[in-house]
Amino acid sequence: EVQLVESGGGLVQPGGSLRLSCAASGFTFSSYWMHWVRQAPGKGLVWVSHINTDGSSTNYADSVKGRFTISRDNAKNTLYLQMNSLRAEDTAVYYCARGRYYNAFDSWGQGTLVTVSS
Amino acid sequence: QSALTQPASVSGSPGQSVTISCTGTSSDVGGYNYVSWYQQHPGKAPKLMIYEVSNRPSGVSNRFSGSKSGNTASLTISGLQGEDEADYYCSSYASSSSNVFGTGTKVTVL
Repeated sequence: EVQLVESGGGLVQPGGSLRLSCAASGFTFSSYWMHWVRQAPGKGLVWVSHINTDGSSTNYADSVKGRFTISRDNAKNTLYLQMNSLRAEDTAVYYCARGRYYNAFDSWGQGTLVTVSS
Repeated sequence: QSALTQPASVSGSPGQSVTISCTGTSSDVGGYNYVSWYQQHPGKAPKLMIYEVSNRPSGVSNRFSGSKSGNTASLTISGLQGEDEADYYCSSYASSSSNVFGTGTKVTVL
């Protein structure tokens, strides 16, 4: 069974940093692109970033470019999102999702809440 | 990237059909056959319902179907059931190797 478990969320002050992790199991992690998607409270889904299978190619939404860094450790079956210079508008539940077919997300974690507030 | 446009809400009685539209541009929906649809119940993670415009993953009911015409994609739910009451989001590949989601549609079963 495919499982994705996010961790690392919490309360952080504006301008602060946080690193999210997503532990994957039940599939060959190194064979799949991975994504981060976020959802502000009561709002819609927003794609944040993706990374290819070996980590050599990444992309970001304009709203986080230059502040967030996606990475992966295929030996540890873990996806990461380093978030710096956090803003109030980054407050959201962050989901990791597995990429499958062409640009679809076929498995999702339960999400981890990031709250940026003083 | 601007969010794809979906109606805020649609509703229907049990057994009826409802259709949700998802309108983008030639740089996303209209330019690629890479539209997917997601169902999200309150407090839960999204679930993939349709990929590549009209394909259903294994385990998804055949009451769900997808299509596309020009810059607008659509999700149709036939034989509406109470369990279909949820939020639905479309998503598309967009130029510059990015993704964009729709604004979301709340489906209410009357």
